[in-house]
Amino acid sequence: KQEVTQIPAALSVPEGENLVLNCSFTDSAIYNLQWFRQDPGKGLTSLLLIQSSQREQTSGRLNASLDKSSGRSTLYIAASQPGDSATYLCAAITQGGSEKLVFGKGTKLTVNP
Amino acid sequence: GAGVSQSPRYKVAKRGQDVALRCDPISGHVSLFWYQQALGQGPEFLTYFQNEAQLDKSGLPSDRFFAERPEGSVSTLKIQRTQQEDSAVYLCASRPPGRDSPLHFGNGTRLTVT
Repeated sequence: KQEVTQIPAALSVPEGENLVLNCSFTDSAIYNLQWFRQDPGKGLTSLLLIQSSQREQTSGRLNASLDKSSGRSTLYIAASQPGDSATYLCAAITQGGSEKLVFGKGTKLTVNP
Repeated sequence: GAGVSQSPRYKVAKRGQDVALRCDPISGHVSLFWYQQALGQGPEFLTYFQNEAQLDKSGLPSDRFFAERPEGSVSTLKIQRTQQEDSAVYLCASRPPGRDSPLHFGNGTRLTVT
């Protein structure tokens, strides 16, 4: 059974800092891994999707990497801004025909001006 | 529509009441998912539809939970005889065919059972 863990549970940084959020998964046979952002009282917004054959994906100030052999993914945020404050969740689809995403509990990020 | 729409936004039910939560997916999205999110937790999978077919309902916590999508568009999640542990945010998501398409989530329905 796939389990996804995110560390740390919460992170507070000053504006402008570069930061890394960590995600680990127990079953390396993943189909893809996705990073989402969730603002308070809102649904999830897809940020990046990394297919199992890829090592990383980039979108603006965001870069996500995937290392299946170690069961890890990281989300790198460059030059953080107060507007980046949100909860970031990673989720994986396991190979084998299942369609469901298995989520971690998220990392709550606060960027202080 | 512009995005996934869920209604009601908030629902308060007395223990033992039945509730129905509605999801309008993005037009043309054949895949539809329901997730349950408890406070401070990540979303937990409930069930998945491809068009009108419910292909995976392994996450439904009990037989009090029932989901349908009769015409392959709007979906309804029904919870019978609600219990306090059912209190959570219920999220609906849709996507085009293919697991490499990202999920689009609605803002959820917050259910509080008193």
